[in-house]
Amino acid sequence: EAEVAQSPRYKITEKSQAVAFWCDPISGHATLYWYRQILGQGPELLVQFQDESVVDDSQLPKDRFSAERLKGVDSTLKIQPAELGDSAMYLCASSSRAGTANEQFFGPGTRLTVL
Amino acid sequence: GESVGLHLPTLSVQEGDNSIINCAYSNSASDYFIWYKQESGKGPQFIIDIRSNMDKRQGQRVTVLLNKTVKHLSLQIAATQPGDSAVYFCAERGKLIFGQGTTLQVKP
Repeated sequence: EAEVAQSPRYKITEKSQAVAFWCDPISGHATLYWYRQILGQGPELLVQFQDESVVDDSQLPKDRFSAERLKGVDSTLKIQPAELGDSAMYLCASSSRAGTANEQFFGPGTRLTVL
Repeated sequence: GESVGLHLPTLSVQEGDNSIINCAYSNSASDYFIWYKQESGKGPQFIIDIRSNMDKRQGQRVTVLLNKTVKHLSLQIAATQPGDSAVYFCAERGKLIFGQGTTLQVKP
C-alpha cells in the first residue's frame, strides 16, 4: 500500500540552528500539505502545495520557516533559526486532488525537539 | 473564526462496550466532515467521512452521525477493542481544521 514517507523521524537540535524535514508524497498526488502538531493539540496547517506552487502559506511563520516543492513531487520544510517553541511533530500529508472532498493521507511525522 | 471541537478530552471505555465521541463545529456552511484516528507516534489516519446531505454513514464497526441543526457530529465505535485506543479528531473540509482530539482509552 502506498504511503507518505517522511525523514528524519526524530530530530533534536539546539535553538538558533537550522533544521530541514523531507517528505515524499504518495505517487501521483498533486497536493501536498505540511502541518505542525503541538503535543495535545490537533494538526495545524502550515503550507499547502498544488504541484510545485504554494496555494496557502498564510499560517507559515515566514521569518524563519520556508517550504519548497521544486519538481512538484517531494518537498522540504526548513526552519532557520529554530526556537524552543518550534518543538512539535511536523506532519506531511498528500491528496490526489485539492479543494474537493478528498481525504488526506498522512506520513508518520518528524518529531522535533529544540533544546 | 471557524472551529471544531470535541466535547471530552478523554474517554475511557471497557473492552467490548460501544464508544461515542462527540464533536461540535461552528461553520454552518461546512459541507464535509472527516474523522481521523491518530495512534501514538503516528500520523492521523482516515476513518470515515460524511457529507452534509447525509445524516448517517456506516463503516466497519464505525458510524458517524451528523446533526446540522445543532452543528454536531459523533463517531460511534461498536464493540470497542484495545486497538481502538488512540486520539480521535474530527475535521471539516476546506483548510481541514482539526479539533483538539479525544483520547480513547480501552480498558481490558
